Amino acid sequence: DAKTTQPPSMDCAEGRAANLPCNHSTISGNEYVYWYRQIHSQGPQYIIHGLKNNETNEMASLIITEDRKSSTLILPHATLRDTAVYYCIVRAQGGSEKLVFGKGMKLTVNP
Amino acid sequence: DAGVIQSPRHEVTEMGQEVTLRCKPISGHNSLFWYRQTMMRGLELLIYFNNNVPIDDSGMPEDRFSAKMPNASFSTLKIQPSEPRDSAVYFCASSSNDLIYNEQFFGPGTRLTVL
Repeated sequence: DAKTTQPPSMDCAEGRAANLPCNHSTISGNEYVYWYRQIHSQGPQYIIHGLKNNETNEMASLIITEDRKSSTLILPHATLRDTAVYYCIVRAQGGSEKLVFGKGMKLTVNP
Repeated sequence: DAGVIQSPRHEVTEMGQEVTLRCKPISGHNSLFWYRQTMMRGLELLIYFNNNVPIDDSGMPEDRFSAKMPNASFSTLKIQPSEPRDSAVYFCASSSNDLIYNEQFFGPGTRLTVL
């Protein structure tokens, strides 16, 4: 079972920041927060991950609360191509550790 | 980089037939994962290999499903006999234990339709 809770959907205006929330209240000390997204008809794509510090890469920023029970993925300037299902996943570090996908959250970026 | 390669991209078959899905992971990756995605069940892990050895096959639905990884550059997922409820998109993904981020790279998927 997925250990995360996300709202089922969210809309965002093109060019605005999209803030995608995720709750993971039962996260363990050795578990990371991962974000993937799946654009229609494609395989999931890795976005970012973090343990307890905020992280930023060329795609997005990840803000994790101090108690690590929730996090927010931020797409600073959403484009139409960011329309996708976004998955928040917690898992232990390790290349062979499996990902458990929940239902995810459908983000629709509107023109 | 070619990325993860899956074949065929689309497969239509009749109930009872054998179906073989193929995957070529990214060169140098030592973990390989097979997922299945349906509207009802979402994206679920079927089996994964590490260094060509199956580590966890608890997601394989039943004995009709089997997966092999004879070498580091090739894996197959076989369904025999196939049933209409096996219709889904099957994704293969690979990752490297040596990568700092351990991210999984997914292939484009195989859309299977069993009539």
